[in-house]
Amino acid sequence: EDQVTQSPEALRLQEGESSSLNCSYTVSGLRGLFWYRQDPGKGPEFLFTLYSAGEEKEKERLKATLTKKESFLHITAPKPEDSATYLCAVREDQGAQKLVFGQGTRLTINP
Amino acid sequence: DSGVTQTPKHLITATGQRVTLRCSPRSGDLSVYWYQQSLDQGLQFLIQYYNGEERAKGNILERFSAQQFPDLHSELNLSSLELGDSALYFCASSLRGVSDTQYFGPGTRLTVL
Repeated sequence: EDQVTQSPEALRLQEGESSSLNCSYTVSGLRGLFWYRQDPGKGPEFLFTLYSAGEEKEKERLKATLTKKESFLHITAPKPEDSATYLCAVREDQGAQKLVFGQGTRLTINP
Repeated sequence: DSGVTQTPKHLITATGQRVTLRCSPRSGDLSVYWYQQSLDQGLQFLIQYYNGEERAKGNILERFSAQQFPDLHSELNLSSLELGDSALYFCASSLRGVSDTQYFGPGTRLTVL
């Protein structure tokens, strides 16, 4: 069965302290890897889609990268407003081709 | 604001009851997806509808059912509610099928007492 594992479960950083979140996946054939941001009690907000190894996408202080087995979400010089849970999901290659989500990384940026 | 709307925002009910959650997709989107998010299970796919027809099923209980109407809004019906059904229920929509990016609504928080 397709699996998505995110690490760490929680990460606390100081404002301006850069870091990376990891998403490792096992799928028979990747049809897209998605990053979402979720604030407490709110719906997930779409950030990026990556399709092939080597692909990178950037948005403000966030950059997502993809290899054959994992994806990283790099956060450069984060601000307190970047505090949220970051969710990674992969689309199955077969069957229902549904999105399979990881458990998320809860990121806290202290001022 | 994703453009996906969900009502109600909060719902408190008792065990054994039945509730209906409503979702309106983004303008132009044909697919609607329902997800359940609980603390211990994360975000779990329940069911997908495309242009009125059921397209894919996930871990949806038999007590739960959904439909998509001609105006493309969707309803998720939850019956014989149990304490364990307490969760956040999200609707997402996409332009066509699962190949397209899914945009999520604000969710309905269901509390079963």
